[in-house]
Amino acid sequence: QSALTQPASVSGSPGQSIKIYCTGTPGDVGGYDSVSWFQQHPGKAPKIIIYDVSNRPSGVSSRFSGSKSGNTASLTVSGLQDEDEGDYYCCSYSRTNTVLFGGGTKLTVL
Amino acid sequence: QLQLQESGPRLVKPSETLSLTCTVSGDSVTNNHHYWAWIRQPPGKGLEWLGTIYHRGTTYYNPSLRSRLSMSVDTSRNQLSLVLTSVPAADTGVYFCARHSKAALVTPFDMWGQGILVTVSS
Repeated sequence: QSALTQPASVSGSPGQSIKIYCTGTPGDVGGYDSVSWFQQHPGKAPKIIIYDVSNRPSGVSSRFSGSKSGNTASLTVSGLQDEDEGDYYCCSYSRTNTVLFGGGTKLTVL
Repeated sequence: QLQLQESGPRLVKPSETLSLTCTVSGDSVTNNHHYWAWIRQPPGKGLEWLGTIYHRGTTYYNPSLRSRLSMSVDTSRNQLSLVLTSVPAADTGVYFCARHSKAALVTPFDMWGQGILVTVSS
């Protein structure tokens, strides 16, 4: 099984917006509304920030939003803040009864 | 308040067996509302799903590890267990246990343990 495809890195200045894409196939991202996104800071466990494509868990900033078009999901971080810097991973259920992660994207706040 | 805590040997020799435990507090591994999973992360690399288990015996494994991987639930201790046999150095990484938000593989990982770094080296 192949991992979902994410850019290795993205960057933006404080206050700007960035978007991270996550590309899969019709058998995973495109076939199910089960895409989730995780934020991970160094030495910490991942934290869920988006589930079921576009839903935010309680307590997660509204600056994080998610969407999907075809086989590609995206995470938008608006009003970038220093604490947004970290690694971001997408995740999706696959029709082969497995779970796939993206390779991860390092977000740098300039 | 739900907490997951991984434990086990932090150093394993190549070709030997890696065994980890995840102790769950604040919830029961035998409740009918959640699946439970193991995920790992090699140093400096991304996340890899290893497998998911339901207390009634249902298991789902990463195909790339299926021949070496076994997961189980200890209901008396409220723990999850992971056993990975014949480990090479490439199995080095941080191992996390996590909870699916519902009793379905399609649901997201809503809670994670802090992770445990396991090094495979002689």
